[in-house]
Amino acid sequence: NAGVMQNPRHLVRRRGQEARLRCSPMKGHSHVYWYRQLPEEGLKFMVYLQKENIIDESGMPKERFSAEFPKEGPSILRIQQVVRGDSAAYFCASSPRVRDDSYNEQFFGPGTRLTVL
Amino acid sequence: GENVEQHPSTLSVQEGDSAVIKCTYSDSASNYFPWYKQELGKRPQLIIDIRSNVGEKKDQRIAVTLNKTAKHFSLHITETQPEDSAVYFCAAAGRRALTFGSGTRLQVQP
Repeated sequence: NAGVMQNPRHLVRRRGQEARLRCSPMKGHSHVYWYRQLPEEGLKFMVYLQKENIIDESGMPKERFSAEFPKEGPSILRIQQVVRGDSAAYFCASSPRVRDDSYNEQFFGPGTRLTVL
Repeated sequence: GENVEQHPSTLSVQEGDSAVIKCTYSDSASNYFPWYKQELGKRPQLIIDIRSNVGEKKDQRIAVTLNKTAKHFSLHITETQPEDSAVYFCAAAGRRALTFGSGTRLQVQP
């Protein structure tokens, strides 16, 4: 059973370019979360998605960032017109269907390390 | 929203000693509290978790305690080994996303 997969593992972009990060959840998982981790810091929640639905995007910057999780294919985090401050590790996590009043464990992918030159 | 504070930020212990990391949270609706271990350049890995209907949970050398009244929870590692050296993150969640603490860098000296 393959774990959460992310690609690319490393991505280098110049300022102003677009970055596209992909995440394939674990088999049987229908919930995807994206987190950002700056060097020497903790993980910050960005967005929570189900298939074809954004559940919570309260952690997403209002501009340049977007996320989707289509019916078919991986979840994508898209950063337009990247700036140096976007350099970070972006982790995706997945979980199975959330129980009514509880929370299911999240399993993390290996991350994509974005470097903006 | 939820706010999680974690202490200490760094912790150095001798091999064989115990290590304790403490976290507090602000949202009384949070009901799930996982702990993650992250080695340099690697993904966070879930090592233990506890739900709000339980006060303590143990898995071999690792234990977690939860005090819902005081809104704090702790990670206890006994008989530490050099391979326990890593950054440890606590987190808290209600029905949506995890809010993480700022991390504790644990160094186990051989």
